[in-house]
Amino acid sequence: QKEVEQDPGPLSVPEGAIVSLNCTYSNSAFQYFMWYRQYSRKGPELLMYTYSSGNKEDGRFTAQVDKSSKYISLFIRDSQPSDSATYLCAMLQGAQKLVFGQGTRLTINP
Amino acid sequence: DAMVIQNPRYQVTQFGKPVTLSCSQTLNHNVMYWYQQKSSQAPKLLFHYYDKDFNNEADTPDNFQSRRPNTSFCFLDIRSPGLGDAAMYLCATSRGRGTEAFFGQGTRLTVV
Repeated sequence: QKEVEQDPGPLSVPEGAIVSLNCTYSNSAFQYFMWYRQYSRKGPELLMYTYSSGNKEDGRFTAQVDKSSKYISLFIRDSQPSDSATYLCAMLQGAQKLVFGQGTRLTINP
Repeated sequence: DAMVIQNPRYQVTQFGKPVTLSCSQTLNHNVMYWYQQKSSQAPKLLFHYYDKDFNNEADTPDNFQSRRPNTSFCFLDIRSPGLGDAAMYLCATSRGRGTEAFFGQGTRLTVV
């Protein structure tokens, strides 16, 4: 079993839809959670960082963490074609080791 | 302004010929990471430095080495690249314990 599970998709939604991306994890030692966006042939770009259960909002993006269920989500409101990318969840194990999910490939159709 | 800079963006090397990838940062972060990412896969941690302390992952092949001569620079050396080493190599930095990591644009390595 992988430490971090993420549905690779692909996920295709119409422009303007609300997108929900999810990851589950097995290691209760994970304390810090991140979401990255990665465009083709580019490095991952940090979108959201959180370390507590609950919601964190930044513009059209909301990150949700449920530590009791070992489940994290990223919601994208009013999705745009420019949001088309691969979204990676990542979790910090111990002090420094960052463990990634496989990534979900998202396409927003105009 | 780019804060984690990787050079070159694209590198072609011959099978078995040593190659070095470089990473520099302007963030003055303590931690520098090297990840390998193959197509449609998650980034895989090869090793990281916390300041000068080197931390190797147990499953990182001996073929991969790293150097960090100072805070700003970190190098990935592949001593004898094989076809299976063709991948995107990502450098990242963070301040340290419990902090987020920032990535460079990556170096895409092709082995011919």
